[in-house]
Amino acid sequence: GQQLNQSPQSMFIQEGEDVSMNCTSSSIFNTWLWYKQDPGEGPVLLIALYKAGELTSNGRLTAQFGITRKDSFLNISASIPSDVGIYFCAGRSSMDSSYKLIFGSGTRLLVRP
Amino acid sequence: DGGITQSPKYLFRKEGQNVTLSCEQNLNHDAMYWYRQDPGQGLRLIYYSQIVNDFQKGDIAEGYSVSREKKESFPLTVTSAQKNPTAFYLCASLSRANYGYTFGSGTRLTVV
Repeated sequence: GQQLNQSPQSMFIQEGEDVSMNCTSSSIFNTWLWYKQDPGEGPVLLIALYKAGELTSNGRLTAQFGITRKDSFLNISASIPSDVGIYFCAGRSSMDSSYKLIFGSGTRLLVRP
Repeated sequence: DGGITQSPKYLFRKEGQNVTLSCEQNLNHDAMYWYRQDPGQGLRLIYYSQIVNDFQKGDIAEGYSVSREKKESFPLTVTSAQKNPTAFYLCASLSRANYGYTFGSGTRLTVV
């Protein structure tokens, strides 16, 4: 099945630093979503994007829907220890009427206090 | 509160056994999905159902089976034909409000 290319695979940063991660697809998407997963739990939706160029914030998190419709970016500002977890991008192809989501392989974030 | 409940949280299976993972939602969502998560990998789609009494195979359906007799319930059976079943299994339903998934808290299945 189709996969998204998500990078970086992992990040180990100092508390207070900003974080950036991104996802790219070989096909056009009409929806991009960003999720966070804590250990042993299901992913939780952080931000949803629906239009090319859209920029949406949720507290210290900001995500953008790329203008080519084939990529998306997530930024976390001033990281704190509770930001630790795995961040997944997910996208939905404009060609798929079933509303299935395709997931990236995740970015594991570790924050050093 | 509305949400998705998966049970059990941890499950151990002997070689050759079938086991069933439960997924129940009270969100009144039509579509439900089962994903498998392995370490270092993204989520891979096993089966999905868009409506009661109908379901479709995902990317890795071999060795799994599902049913959708009620809107609220979408159980997954891991059969003995699944050669490498040890994984974290996630159930989700589709929200029409944001077209994102709401996930359950997962079931970790281990073969012993």
